[in-house]
Amino acid sequence: KQEVTQIPAALSVPEGENLVLNCSFTDSAIYNLQWFRQDPGKGLTSLLLIQSSQREQTSGRLNASLDKSSGRSTLYIAASQPGDSATYLCAVTGKIIFGKGTRLHILP
Amino acid sequence: DAEITQSPRHKITETGRQVTLACHQTWNHNNMFWYRQDLGHGLRLIHYSYGVHDTNKGEVSDGYSVSRSNTEDLPLTLESAASSQTSVYFCASSGGPGSGANVLTFGAGSRLTVL
Repeated sequence: KQEVTQIPAALSVPEGENLVLNCSFTDSAIYNLQWFRQDPGKGLTSLLLIQSSQREQTSGRLNASLDKSSGRSTLYIAASQPGDSATYLCAVTGKIIFGKGTRLHILP
Repeated sequence: DAEITQSPRHKITETGRQVTLACHQTWNHNNMFWYRQDLGHGLRLIHYSYGVHDTNKGEVSDGYSVSRSNTEDLPLTLESAASSQTSVYFCASSGGPGSGANVLTFGAGSRLTVL
C-alpha cells in the first residue's frame, strides 16, 4: 500500500531564505508526482507536476525534483516571501495518494 | 474560463438526513474525484470516476455514493448523514489534453457539519 510522508509537519523560516520541503513515498511505481499549495479555508492549487520519466520541474522561484529509486521528492523555494506562507502538499499517482502536508510560515 | 464549482459551500444538516454535494466542471475532464479533508488524516479519496457511467470506490467510501451521468457533474450523496462525516469535501478533476492531462484541479471545497 502506497504511503506518502511529508516532513516536517510545520516549518517557520525568515523571509528571504531558500528552503526545501520533503516528500517521500513507499512504492516507486508511480505515474507522476504533483505539488500543491493550500491557503487556510481554500482549495488546493497545483504548483508543479513531475512525470515519472522526469527528474525535475521549475516554475518561477519553485523547483521540484523527483528521485523514484529512493522514493523522494523535494520542493525548493528560492528567496521565500511572506506570501509563500501556506500548507504544501504532495501527491503521487496511480491512485492519487496525498501526504499530510507541511505548514510553512515565512516570518517577515 | 474553465472552472470546477462546488455547491453548497457550507451546509449544516442533522444525523440521518440525506445530503448531496454538487460538483460541476467545465474543463471537459474525463476524471473526477471526491476527497474529504480532516485534521490529522489529510486528504482521503472517497470515490472517483474515469468517465460517464464509470464510478469507483476510494479508501473511505462507506456511507457515500456517486453517479456520473455526464462529463461535467459528479454529485456526492451521503445516504444517511453521520457526525463522523462532518468534514470539508473537495472535488477535483483531471484529464485535459496534452501535457496538462495529469494535472489535478480542485474546487474550493464544501464544509459539511452533521449535528
